[in-house]
Amino acid sequence: GNSVTQMEGPVTLSEEAFLTINCTYTATGYPSLFWYVQYPGEGLQLLLKATKADDKGSNKGFEATYRKETTSFHLEKGSVQVSDSAVYFCASLSGGYQKVTFGIGTKLQVIP
Amino acid sequence: DTAVSQTPKYLVTQMGNDKSIKCEQNLGHDTMYWYKQDSKKFLKIMFSYNNKELIINETVPNRFSPKSPDKAHLNLHINSLELGDSAVYFCASSQDLAGRQETQYFGPGTRLLVL
Repeated sequence: GNSVTQMEGPVTLSEEAFLTINCTYTATGYPSLFWYVQYPGEGLQLLLKATKADDKGSNKGFEATYRKETTSFHLEKGSVQVSDSAVYFCASLSGGYQKVTFGIGTKLQVIP
Repeated sequence: DTAVSQTPKYLVTQMGNDKSIKCEQNLGHDTMYWYKQDSKKFLKIMFSYNNKELIINETVPNRFSPKSPDKAHLNLHINSLELGDSAVYFCASSQDLAGRQETQYFGPGTRLLVL
C-alpha cells in the first residue's frame, strides 16, 4: 500500500532560519503530493501541492518540489517566522476514492 | 461563514456512553470524511462518503457508525465509548472523488475525552 515517511519532530528553529522538513513516499503509479499545516487548536489546511514530477508547489514562502527519482517532496522555507510554528503533514493521493495517506506530522517551533 | 463545521468542539464523557459528533459543509462538495488524530498527532482516515454513499471504511470498530442524511452532512455516532477512543476527530470534505488535485478541507476538530 501507499505510505508517507516524514522526519520526526519536534524541529526547533530561531526566527529567520532556513527550514527543511523531509518527506518521502511509496505509491503505485504517480501520486499527487501535498503539504498540509495544522496551527494549534485548528484543523488541517492545505499549504501547497504538486500533481506531477518536477512540479513545484509554493505558498507563503514555502516550497516543495515533486522528485520522482528520489520519491521525495521536501518542504523548505528560506526564513521562518514565529507564526510558522505549527504541525506540518506531508500527504499523498493516488488511485481512486480520494484516499489520502498522511505522514506522522512534524512539529515546528520557531523561537524569537 | 465556516466552510466545514463540527459540533461539539469539546466532548467529555464517561466510558460506556453513546455520543454523536455532527459535521456540515457548505462548500457544495460531494465527498466527506472522518479522520481520527491521536495524541501523537498521527492522522488516520476512518470513513468517507460520496453523495451519501459509503466509499471508504477503514478498519474501525463497529461501535463507530457514520450517517450521511444528505451530501452536506456526515455525522459520526459512537457506541459504548472506550478510553482508547479519546482523540481529536476531524471531518473533511472535497469536491469529488475523481480529481488528482482535489484538496481536502478540514473542520476545526472535536476533542473527545473518555473518562
